[in-house]
Amino acid sequence: DVKVTQSSRYLVKRTGEKVFLECVQDMDHENMFWYRQDPGLGLRLIYFSYDVKMKEKGDIPEGYSVSREKKERFSLILESASTNQTSMYLCASSSPGRGRTEAFFGQGTRLTVV
Amino acid sequence: DAKTTQPPSMDCAEGRAANLPCNHSTISGNEYVYWYRQIHSQGPQYIIHGLKNNETNEMASLIITEDRKSSTLILPHATLRDTAVYYCIVRVENDYKLSFGAGTTVTVRA
Repeated sequence: DVKVTQSSRYLVKRTGEKVFLECVQDMDHENMFWYRQDPGLGLRLIYFSYDVKMKEKGDIPEGYSVSREKKERFSLILESASTNQTSMYLCASSSPGRGRTEAFFGQGTRLTVV
Repeated sequence: DAKTTQPPSMDCAEGRAANLPCNHSTISGNEYVYWYRQIHSQGPQYIIHGLKNNETNEMASLIITEDRKSSTLILPHATLRDTAVYYCIVRVENDYKLSFGAGTTVTVRA
């Protein structure tokens, strides 16, 4: 089975801290994604990466950056955490091309910024 | 702009079939219909997808109307573990972006 693993289920950080959210997938997928999920707003794409060291902005990239040094690992970085970044963060991976291109999601990281 | 319309909620009796409707009247010829579900406190899980033919897998069946403007996800024998939010999404097969709407909250009752 495909596995997408996020490093933490719950995190509490202070305002102004630099926060790293880590995601690892074991299916050799080219594409990896970071979403945030908030009540009433659904899932919103923050960044995605289609190859090592490649990244593109999603719908809400402000206040975030990403890093993909290895194919299996995609990190989301909050440069200076703020309370409005309190949210559920979801990582996903998928493989491009025809056929089964569905995305596989991790279990989520619930981040609280105080 | 929302590409799909789903009812906000529905109940289903355990052991009965659950039929989840989705309207996608502006779907393009190269867009697929995807279904995901999200059980509370977990990440979304892929269920099934199709272009124009009906599809079936071990989890569900997908019925797409001939004009492709609507579809129905069928959970043949709903269990309590099927309680979740179900999302209907239309997208080009290789498009990286998954846009989730509000979905349908399905509650399976004993």
